[in-house]
Amino acid sequence: EPEVTQTPSHQVTQMGQEVILRCVPISNHLYFYWYRQILGQKVEFLVSFYNNEISEKSEIFDDQFSVERPDGSNFTLKIRSTKLEDSAMYFCASGRAGGMSPLHFGNGTRLTVT
Amino acid sequence: KQEVTQIPAALSVPEGENLVLNCSFTDSAIYNLQWFRQDPGKGLTSLLLIQSSQREQTSGRLNASLDKSSGRSTLYIAASQPGDSATYLCAPYSGGGADGLTFGKGTHLIIQP
Repeated sequence: EPEVTQTPSHQVTQMGQEVILRCVPISNHLYFYWYRQILGQKVEFLVSFYNNEISEKSEIFDDQFSVERPDGSNFTLKIRSTKLEDSAMYFCASGRAGGMSPLHFGNGTRLTVT
Repeated sequence: KQEVTQIPAALSVPEGENLVLNCSFTDSAIYNLQWFRQDPGKGLTSLLLIQSSQREQTSGRLNASLDKSSGRSTLYIAASQPGDSATYLCAPYSGGGADGLTFGKGTHLIIQP
């Protein structure tokens, strides 16, 4: 069964550094998402991406964040200047028909900012 | 703004029991609701998606019900097994296609062998 894959599984970075989290969504899906989960807290929506542009972003997704689909398979989340509070598990997800169909999640990237 | 509450927060039962997980949400204008399972250190796996026009949806030993007007959904797990141990999350969907899901904090379920 097709899967959403994320790399790396764990990333450690210093405060102020830029990080890029990578995702390969399921190939015939059209809607792509990033979510994050701070340890012990709820899964939170960051951004949705459809037709090569951002469809919606949450209050969390400020100017430090950006997303890109550089080619036909990859979907990336960039954090420009990481803060301690960016430490979390970041999940990529994809779906055929947005919220109207089941979402498929990757196993996440654990980001630790020191 | 949609708020999702899941009760109980944690549950530990012996193997073989039937159990019910509860989810309530504040905005009843939803298109559907998904139930997910999350294993430790892993991503979320969609278990069931129940449309707003449906009352129930079944997959194997899992049955989800939805009472949209009262803002409630339940996930029923029949004949629980140790492999069912995980955190179960519900997420109602209110948006117009590409909008994000709102999650509850989940129910942490342990099935004792």
